Amino acid sequence: EPEVTQTPSHQVTQMGQEVILRCVPISNHLYFYWYRQILGQKVEFLVSFYNNEISEKSEIFDDQFSVERPDGSNFTLKIRSTKLEDSAMYFCASRSRTGGYSPLHFGNGTRLTVT
Amino acid sequence: GQNIDQPTEMTATEGAIVQINCTYQTSGFNGLFWYQQHAGEAPTFLSYNVLDGLEEKGRFSSFLSRSKGYSYLLLKELQMKDSASYLCAVLMNRDDKIIFGKGTRLHILP
Repeated sequence: EPEVTQTPSHQVTQMGQEVILRCVPISNHLYFYWYRQILGQKVEFLVSFYNNEISEKSEIFDDQFSVERPDGSNFTLKIRSTKLEDSAMYFCASRSRTGGYSPLHFGNGTRLTVT
Repeated sequence: GQNIDQPTEMTATEGAIVQINCTYQTSGFNGLFWYQQHAGEAPTFLSYNVLDGLEEKGRFSSFLSRSKGYSYLLLKELQMKDSASYLCAVLMNRDDKIIFGKGTRLHILP
């Protein structure tokens, strides 16, 4: 069964450094997402992306964050200057189409630790 | 603001039935998902409801009442492997935004 893949599985970085989290969504999917989950807390929506542009973003997704689909397969999340509070599990997800019976398919996540 | 409420924790016995409730107040609604999340893992899809009523899928069923802003997930014949968090999520608009509740941690006792 096709799956969403994320790399790396764990990233440790120092405060103020830039990080890029990488995702390969399922190949025929059209909608792409980033979520984060701070340890012990809920899965929080960051951003959705469709047709090569951001379609929705949350208050968390400020100017420090950006997303890109540099080619036909990768989808990346960049955090420009990491803060301690950015430490979390970051999940990439994709959906095949709009509305209807089209659930999110999640990758296994990247655990980001900012020291 | 958007609000999705679920109980924080529940405990049930192996072989029994448990119902996990979810209430929501969101500015848009185009369907409700239930996901299962084992500790340290990604959420996995369980069910989707957009019309009122019950959807059954093996040991799992999910119910929706749009007028009441209410859903529940029913798990039958509980097994130890069902110990996990169960997340209620609302598709807020037709295209994109899906937001999650805080999840219900279900403990199964032998």
